[in-house]
Amino acid sequence: DTGVSQDPRHKITKRGQNVTFRCDPISEHNRLYWYRQTLGQGPEFLTYFQNEAQLEKSRLLSDRFSAERPKGSFSTLEIQRTEQGDSAMYLCASSPIGANVLTFGAGSRLTVL
Amino acid sequence: AQSVTQLGSHVSVSEGALVLLRCNYSSSVPPYLFWYVQYPNQGLQLLLKYTSAATLVKGINGFEAEFKKSETSFHLTKPSAHMSDAAEYFCAVTSSKDDKIIFGKGTRLHILP
Repeated sequence: DTGVSQDPRHKITKRGQNVTFRCDPISEHNRLYWYRQTLGQGPEFLTYFQNEAQLEKSRLLSDRFSAERPKGSFSTLEIQRTEQGDSAMYLCASSPIGANVLTFGAGSRLTVL
Repeated sequence: AQSVTQLGSHVSVSEGALVLLRCNYSSSVPPYLFWYVQYPNQGLQLLLKYTSAATLVKGINGFEAEFKKSETSFHLTKPSAHMSDAAEYFCAVTSSKDDKIIFGKGTRLHILP
């Protein structure tokens, strides 16, 4: 068990570019969550998957955001046409079904110039 | 909708003194409550959780929290602060009827020598 891995750890991009983050959860965890954290705030829920199915998506997630978990293992979070307001730490977490306990990765920090 | 409110974005205590971090929750159903800790440049780690068993919950590193339904509170305490406790602490809530965990804005704990 190597924990939850996120890549890249830091991404700097120019406004208008697309970025993609990857999350590898703990292998036996069925659920995978994406959160966003800005400075001075707690993690904000974005979306979550149970296996490959995306079960809920926050209203915070605009149409420029899309997440996938095609084989029920790793997940990607893509942001199209990035804006400066997208600058944040994007956190991935996983859990077994029904456990209500999240194991977080170290996060992917996005800086949009 | 469920929510948590953490009172005080910054708390400073002297090394060896009592740590008290406050959290109040709002939930229309019996809540599950959590405290997570985030050390600099690290992912969030679970400190402790309450899931309707004992109201006094003991966690890692000497922390504990007490669920008080009458006060809708779940305050985090530690009898004697250590320099290594300096971190950001997040209270969080969910329930048996929900799959996502909602976080508070966090309290940064400073330990004074």
